[in-house]
Amino acid sequence: GENVEQHPSTLSVQEGDSAVIKCTYSDSASNYFPWYKQELGKRPQLIIDIRSNVGEKKDQRIAVTLNKTAKHFSLHITETQPEDSAVYFCAAKTAAGNKLTFGGGTRVLVKP
Amino acid sequence: GAVVSQHPSWVICKSGTSVKIECRSLDFQATTMFWYRQFPKQSLMLMATSNEGSKATYEQGVEKDKFLINHASLTLSTLTVTSAHPEDSSFYICSASRQVKETAFGSGTRLTVV
Repeated sequence: GENVEQHPSTLSVQEGDSAVIKCTYSDSASNYFPWYKQELGKRPQLIIDIRSNVGEKKDQRIAVTLNKTAKHFSLHITETQPEDSAVYFCAAKTAAGNKLTFGGGTRVLVKP
Repeated sequence: GAVVSQHPSWVICKSGTSVKIECRSLDFQATTMFWYRQFPKQSLMLMATSNEGSKATYEQGVEKDKFLINHASLTLSTLTVTSAHPEDSSFYICSASRQVKETAFGSGTRLTVV
């Protein structure tokens, strides 16, 4: 089955700096890659996603890049703010299984 | 967008008892729902895929007799933790997808077994 690795597990940045989180996946059939932000005790919230036919997608301060050949994708957050502090998860989904496989998560702390 | 409701949001039960968690898709029909377990400071781990009208598909290492899943209608899946023990204490989350992109999560259930 699919295996998703995520790095780093923790990330501390100064407010205003950029944060980058990287994920790799194993199943070349995966075609959908969402990123979620989860606050303590809450459900994951979709912040951005990318399909396998696209290499990059941007939404204001958040961008995601995908390298299908290398089977890795990354989340970029620019101009970080304290409210960006949370746990971020990458995930991968295949069209056939329709189930999400999550990375291990990255705890992001933005220091004011 | 797709909305999934999950109840209860938290529950405390005694060891040896059973607990039922409900997951409902409010504005769409979900032939498939998913159940995840999340331990503190860890990722969401898929437990099982709930299929309407048929048996659930369990991930490797998940005891199907302990975690009973019923998906009797297109809008409701239930997870019953049977003979709960303290090590079953966790955050349980369900999800359903209306389309490939649109995965909606329930609000989660914090289970504490004492």
